[in-house]
Amino acid sequence: LAKTTQPISMDSYEGQEVNITCSHNNIATNDYITWYQQFPSQGPRFIIQGYKTKVTNEVASLFIPADRKSSTLSLPRVSLSDTAVYYCLVGDKRGDDKIIFGKGTRLHILP
Amino acid sequence: GAVVSQHPSWVICKSGTSVKIECRSLDFQATTMFWYRQFPKQSLMLMATSNEGSKATYEQGVEKDKFLINHASLTLSTLTVTSAHPEDSSFYICSARDSATNTEAFFGQGTRLTVV
Repeated sequence: LAKTTQPISMDSYEGQEVNITCSHNNIATNDYITWYQQFPSQGPRFIIQGYKTKVTNEVASLFIPADRKSSTLSLPRVSLSDTAVYYCLVGDKRGDDKIIFGKGTRLHILP
Repeated sequence: GAVVSQHPSWVICKSGTSVKIECRSLDFQATTMFWYRQFPKQSLMLMATSNEGSKATYEQGVEKDKFLINHASLTLSTLTVTSAHPEDSSFYICSARDSATNTEAFFGQGTRLTVV
């Protein structure tokens, strides 16, 4: 199971673009990179998943360099409601593959 | 999208009693489900892997006799906290992947357990 390292916390302002980087030096060939968002007293919510290069959806973009040893979640024009903990997870997509959480990044959006 | 539902959302119980938490995959089948525990300001900690039709696999340090897991069908796993104590008070979350498509994991809304 590849271990991930993220900044413990980040602050930003409404309307700004926020980039959260995650290091996963031991990522395996079959591993995907997945980001989740968690609000207090709620279960994590899927944001985006990728294997390589760039993935974009209606919520975020995920940038993955060629060596895949890191990834960056990009949130465009954040709002106060984006204040949450963001987790970067690395693992196989098999149904029985354990999902191990790191410490996550506590993002605080200021007005 | 795929939904995982937990019940109850919160529960308060007396010390020494047992509490059962249900986790259902509403529109997909899951041969494997995962149970987590989360304390305030901390990350999710994997407790066990629930396997349909077989015994659960527990992480190191998690007492299997205290946290009973049953995965009787492809859409339902239950976690029973037996002889609960105040230190078992926590936020319990389940997760599951669609066995057919192996897409991203979906998480339940969590269950807040308070033992008094």
